[in-house]
Amino acid sequence: SAVISQKPSRDICQRGTSLTIQCQVDSQVTMMFWYRQQPGQSLTLIATANQGSEATYESGFVIDKFPISRPNLTFSTLTVSNMSPEDSSIYLCSVGAGAKETQYFGPGTRLLVL
Amino acid sequence: SQQGEEDPQALSIQEGENATMNCSYKTSINNLQWYRQNSGRGLVHLILIRSNEREKHSGRLRVTLDTSKKSSSLLITASRAADTASYFCATDLTGGGNKLTFGTGTQLKVEL
Repeated sequence: SAVISQKPSRDICQRGTSLTIQCQVDSQVTMMFWYRQQPGQSLTLIATANQGSEATYESGFVIDKFPISRPNLTFSTLTVSNMSPEDSSIYLCSVGAGAKETQYFGPGTRLLVL
Repeated sequence: SQQGEEDPQALSIQEGENATMNCSYKTSINNLQWYRQNSGRGLVHLILIRSNEREKHSGRLRVTLDTSKKSSSLLITASRAADTASYFCATDLTGGGNKLTFGTGTQLKVEL
């Protein structure tokens, strides 16, 4: 199984600012995913970030709001831009062991926007 | 929305009892995965069952899959207080590029 770390683990931010979340994996992986979990809710996929290509965003999520970088096979960042209180959520990255295989999740970044 | 439904939304049992959670989904899948989340922290992977499998066991966990009914169940036997958590099913949809679609989750509370 993959070991995944995220930074920061939590943050409190002011509205209008941006926060970049880092996701580091201990092995090379092709597929990485970013999810959002709003308070008391389930997880919703934001985008798929595969190395060497532009991130693919799900309906309701746009690149201007959630720009993603994937510079290599072990690292990715998600930026939450121009934040509002509605962006207060847990943001999680995950990696796929392979197509149709187990996905492993990072510990999450808990974000509170005031 | 492709999100699956889980029931019950919340379940409270006594330690030692069994807990059963159900998950329904809408379209064809490659596999279905169950996860546990403690108090809004990261997700812990519990078990993966493939579309051609009907039952799988892992320790005190038993998962079934009925693709004809598009449903799965997670049974936790001899529950412990440490099993208190939220449980989510997630489906890897056929042709979905390995991304997961999560169910609504079941909050399990195991009381001493």
